[in-house]
Amino acid sequence: GAVVSQHPSRVICKSGTSVKIECRSLDFQATTMFWYRQFPKQSLMLMATSNEGSKATYEQGVEKDKFLINHASLTLSTLTVTSAHPEDSSFYICSARVGGRRPEAFFGQGTRLTVV
Amino acid sequence: AQRVTQPEKLLSVFKGAPVELKCNYSYSGSPELFWYVQYSRQRLQLLLRHISRESIKGFTADLNKGETSFHLKKPFAQEEDSAMYYCALMNNAGNMLTFGGGTRLMVKP
Repeated sequence: GAVVSQHPSRVICKSGTSVKIECRSLDFQATTMFWYRQFPKQSLMLMATSNEGSKATYEQGVEKDKFLINHASLTLSTLTVTSAHPEDSSFYICSARVGGRRPEAFFGQGTRLTVV
Repeated sequence: AQRVTQPEKLLSVFKGAPVELKCNYSYSGSPELFWYVQYSRQRLQLLLRHISRESIKGFTADLNKGETSFHLKKPFAQEEDSAMYYCALMNNAGNMLTFGGGTRLMVKP
């Protein structure tokens, strides 16, 4: 299957700082990338969808100025958590869609963000 | 709006017993439905997609448009099937992939 790499896998940052998470599709070009947040023992909550070269579409309740998404190329999308607060601590997961005849999405390994 | 519902948070069965993980969806168009599995400390992996009508690791899932369901089934559960299972729906435009709440399957020896 297609491989999606997410970096870093774990990050600790201080309140007020910004953190960037990268999501790369290693062996395919991703027409669409999704960003999810997962709280402990809960399902994945879609935060935003990004298409290469265009602005991300954010889900209701997700602050676009807080969670900056950039999809600069067909293999890379980044999520920047700006002015992080402890309540932003969570598990963030990206996925990438191949597109065309393959509608399914493949997932990165996730990033555990802890804001102290 | 699209919605995926997995009514059971936990399903516990004995090895060799049949398994059915329920998934119901709400979507106005023709859905693309998937089952994803997450084994302990691993990333989400695609298990099945309804358009393939395939059997993976003994699991099958049939799309029932009348009942808006996409239940995941396996006739004889194995201990290694223990994991979190997520049902997911992709919209026609391919720009929204929505997950159900997940069901934890525990297969006891």
